[in-house]
Amino acid sequence: DTEVTQTPKHLVMGMTNKKSLKCEQHMGHRAMYWYKQKAKKPPELMFVYSYEKLSINESVPSRFSPECPNSSLLNLHLHALQPEDSALYLCASSQFRTNTEAFFGQGTRLTVV
Amino acid sequence: GQQVMQIPQYQHVQEGEDFTTYCNSSTTLSNIQWYKQRPGGHPVFLIQLVKSGEVKKQKRLTFQFGEAKKNSSLHITATQTTDVGTYFCAGISWAGNMLTFGGGTRLMVKP
Repeated sequence: DTEVTQTPKHLVMGMTNKKSLKCEQHMGHRAMYWYKQKAKKPPELMFVYSYEKLSINESVPSRFSPECPNSSLLNLHLHALQPEDSALYLCASSQFRTNTEAFFGQGTRLTVV
Repeated sequence: GQQVMQIPQYQHVQEGEDFTTYCNSSTTLSNIQWYKQRPGGHPVFLIQLVKSGEVKKQKRLTFQFGEAKKNSSLHITATQTTDVGTYFCAGISWAGNMLTFGGGTRLMVKP
């Protein structure tokens, strides 16, 4: 199984809502990532988890809260988002940190209204 | 911080023509990866280059890593409509702690 599965595929939420994005991989990868991608732009790194510990937080606002419950799962909790947070949120995993290929999920297309 | 620039931003080609995208880093890289993202899709890993001056081929795709490990290129011979998408390079610094994506080159192929 070489897949990274993300749910939901699409999400519309209001600015006062709380929602969560989920990501799962069963490749035994020990590094997992959250990226944000705006239209016609490259993916921007948000968070890196290495061996289930948060190792990089790229100055992301606190309205985004990552969680890694175990080595296969990665969540991104969303609260009080702004319309400009609307984007494609991509989860990725790699066997080790960065020096091996990253497998990306299909993403969650988030719209904040 | 590390910056990775890619040119051109867009390229329209006639099917059968060749295509090249170039990637330049502001700092020396440990290695570089290339990804392809189809319209509406997610990035898919193509290849990783590690050695100075390295050249790798995948069918019609040729990847090069510069001698100074600061630049890279992807060349597609005889493009096909299935090559449509955005090609991203992603550099890895010597600290090895994160991928920095270039801006991407969006390839459009006219049949």
